[in-house]
Amino acid sequence: DQQVKQNSPSLSVQEGRISILNCDYTNSMFDYFLWYKKYPAEGPTFLISISSIKDKNEDGRFTVFLNKSAKHLSLHIVPSQPGDSAVYFCAASNQGAQKLVFGQGTRLTINP
Amino acid sequence: GAGVSQSPRYKVAKRGQDVALRCDPISGHVSLFWYQQALGQGPEFLTYFQNEAQLDKSGLPSDRFFAERPEGSVSTLKIQRTQQEDSAVYLCASSQRGFGEKLFFGSGTQLSVL
Repeated sequence: DQQVKQNSPSLSVQEGRISILNCDYTNSMFDYFLWYKKYPAEGPTFLISISSIKDKNEDGRFTVFLNKSAKHLSLHIVPSQPGDSAVYFCAASNQGAQKLVFGQGTRLTINP
Repeated sequence: GAGVSQSPRYKVAKRGQDVALRCDPISGHVSLFWYQQALGQGPEFLTYFQNEAQLDKSGLPSDRFFAERPEGSVSTLKIQRTQQEDSAVYLCASSQRGFGEKLFFGSGTQLSVL
């Protein structure tokens, strides 16, 4: 049972344009959501998070949107840069459990 | 170093062999997690420690998997009688406290069971 789903295995975007990565979840108990970025042969690194009491959180070029009624979140990267090429993981948790539940990841490629 | 350190970086084991994977978390981090990442998948939770106490081991796939953190710092994940399905990247992560804190991941140990 995949509680966190990233339905797009890959995404290709032109440099300078907006990248939008999507994530859906099924567990309504989740109240904290995060995005991680992973380069080959490295561990995931934290990018941005959002609590369920908010619907938007922004950090520089990165914005995460949360739609609780649709159980959907998205990560927007504007403008996209070549260094953004990586695998992006969506993750979720609830306050009763310390563990994060990850999606399968989306490989983002930024083309010059 | 300042980050989470894992060793070995790569491990090849024959089926049936026992392996031990080591994690050095960031100094002072109370919480430590182990995740398993199969090829093309996201990390899956294995177990969680707060200091030396193992508070959640619900993700360990079988009793062949055992983790410890005896002094609340370094942790070891042991897999006994390895099977081919154990082949994966094993990621360790730490955080200052726990929930609501971002996790810092190590680069992982890639285990291949032949």
